[in-house]
Amino acid sequence: DSGVTQTPKHLITATGQRVTLRCSPRSGDLSVYWYQQSLDQGLQFLIQYYNGEERAKGNILERFSAQQFPDLHSELNLSSLELGDSALYFCASSPSTSTNIQYFGAGTRLSVL
Amino acid sequence: QKEVEQDPGPLSVPEGAIVSLNCTYSNSAFQYFMWYRQYSRKGPELLMYTYSSGNKEDGRFTAQVDKSSKYISLFIRDSQPSDSATYLCAMNSGGSNYKLTFGKGTLLTVNP
Repeated sequence: DSGVTQTPKHLITATGQRVTLRCSPRSGDLSVYWYQQSLDQGLQFLIQYYNGEERAKGNILERFSAQQFPDLHSELNLSSLELGDSALYFCASSPSTSTNIQYFGAGTRLSVL
Repeated sequence: QKEVEQDPGPLSVPEGAIVSLNCTYSNSAFQYFMWYRQYSRKGPELLMYTYSSGNKEDGRFTAQVDKSSKYISLFIRDSQPSDSATYLCAMNSGGSNYKLTFGKGTLLTVNP
């Protein structure tokens, strides 16, 4: 168990809908990262938050947004969903002393029908 | 050209074999190199972490980095059926670059 908790484990929704994925980092970790894993693209970095502030952005669509709350949990919001958004979404966290070592949660599997 | 290339396999070996997994990369700024193991329907689990060139050993696992060739390897000795998983290489340049760039992963099956 990595200590990173993601909910829900599985989401099934329809095109055009909006969903929220939740992540609780390991105790004491200030950084949270979101990644998307699909069969054709592999694991792709989406966005990073550090202690409530956006720190880095990757290949995140404008329809997607994230935030980190004062208690350090993070949410990834996906809107106007398309079939191609079906993927595994992972959250990772890292200790403030080493942002290179990232611990991953079990992921949320999103199915857009 | 993708920044990180990894042979997707699949790779099938008998129990007890030595397994060699490799990645090549194009970004010479990468300095931190990791190997993650991902079981089916689970999150990636950090196996090995290496900074710059050289070797690092942890039990049955050895990670090698050759920055001059932009080539990294993971060796698994005395492979076990429980090692059957997808192995992902990951790397970043450190400093203010926080994102990990991953290879697509190699699917390994160790047959009893």
